[in-house]
Amino acid sequence: AQKVTQAQTEISVVEKEDVTLDCVYETRDTTYYLFWYKQPPSGELVFLIRRNSFDEQNEISGRYSWNFQKSTSSFNFTITASQVVDSAVYFCALSEARRGSTLGRLYFGRGTQLTVWP
Amino acid sequence: GAGVSQSPSNKVTEKGKDVELRCDPISGHTALYWYRQSLGQGLEFLIYFQGNSAPDKSGLPSDRFSAERTGGSVSTLTIQRTQQEDSAVYLCASSSQAETQYFGPGTRLLVL
Repeated sequence: AQKVTQAQTEISVVEKEDVTLDCVYETRDTTYYLFWYKQPPSGELVFLIRRNSFDEQNEISGRYSWNFQKSTSSFNFTITASQVVDSAVYFCALSEARRGSTLGRLYFGRGTQLTVWP
Repeated sequence: GAGVSQSPSNKVTEKGKDVELRCDPISGHTALYWYRQSLGQGLEFLIYFQGNSAPDKSGLPSDRFSAERTGGSVSTLTIQRTQQEDSAVYLCASSSQAETQYFGPGTRLLVL
């Protein structure tokens, strides 16, 4: 069965601190995709990143970086030099490849509420 | 270009009434998904449409819930005989084949 676990329910940091959000996943598929979404107070889910199971390269985008490790089934997200605008709920999600190359539904973790204090 | 749009933004209804929620996907996206988000249950999958294939209805919580997608574009989620536990934010997402799902702003449903 597919499952995504975000063990950290809430994290609070002070501006400029680095923070890592953990994500652990379970799947029996060899082909799958991992995602991070951000949900600010406005409520809309904003896509941040997608990785496929064959690409374990870490990725950096500005202050954001992602560490994908298949050996530990983890896909962790680090924000460097956090800012107040980073305050949001962050969701990790898993999707399997369906027939052909279609992606199926997303399995979401419960989310981590990040609060960045000035 | 335009993103996923949903209407209404908010809906308040009385227990027992039927409601319809609408989703307009991003133009050209072949896949459309419905999820709901509630405090106790997190983000739950409801139903998924892909092209002309039969929809994946495996997430619908009861037979009071149904959805259709007309002309491969707009989708309507219908909840019959609403119950208080149906109160949640209903989110719609769309994607091109094998691509990322992009979400709409959601419909906040409150059943009194």
